[in-house]
Amino acid sequence: QKEVEQDPGPLSVPEGAIVSLNCTYSNSAFQYFMWYRQYSRKGPELLMYTYSSGNKEDGRFTAQVDKSSKYISLFIRDSQPSDSATYLCAMQPGANNLFFGTGTRLTVIP
Amino acid sequence: EPEVTQTPSHQVTQMGQEVILRCVPISNHLYFYWYRQILGQKVEFLVSFYNNEISEKSEIFDDQFSVERPDGSNFTLKIRSTKLEDSAMYFCASSDRADTEAFFGQGTRLTVV
Repeated sequence: QKEVEQDPGPLSVPEGAIVSLNCTYSNSAFQYFMWYRQYSRKGPELLMYTYSSGNKEDGRFTAQVDKSSKYISLFIRDSQPSDSATYLCAMQPGANNLFFGTGTRLTVIP
Repeated sequence: EPEVTQTPSHQVTQMGQEVILRCVPISNHLYFYWYRQILGQKVEFLVSFYNNEISEKSEIFDDQFSVERPDGSNFTLKIRSTKLEDSAMYFCASSDRADTEAFFGQGTRLTVV
């Protein structure tokens, strides 16, 4: 069983749409949850970092964690063509290394 | 804004050769990591380093790999005898604590021919 499951997409949306990206996980020891954005052949860029169930908002981005369901989401409001990238979820069981999802490739069409 | 820097951006090497990938972590960070990403696959953990020693390593990080912090700023990953399957993007990351977010460099693309 994979530790972190993420739909690889690809996902195409029109500009201005609300995007929903999701990951599920099996390890209940995961305590910290991150979303990274990765442009082609570049390093992961941290978008959001959360450690408790609930919502965290930063501009157009909202991260949601549901530990009881082992499910996390990233919502992007008013999506822009510049949001086109691969979005990686990552999780950490305390003070340990990160476990990544496969990434979801998003294209926002102007 | 502070960032993790990696050199070179692209390295081509012959199978069996040694390579050293270099990283300069964010200056006040204490925890350092190497990850790799084979083309089309997920980012995978290799090793974490704290207080001048390895704190954790994955199954991938076998005897062919080693890490070093030769001075106060650099953090290196050495692959002693490269194999074709070592071809990947290698990312360095750093964090100020073990349980906080890690910031990644832009990566070194290693191509073994």
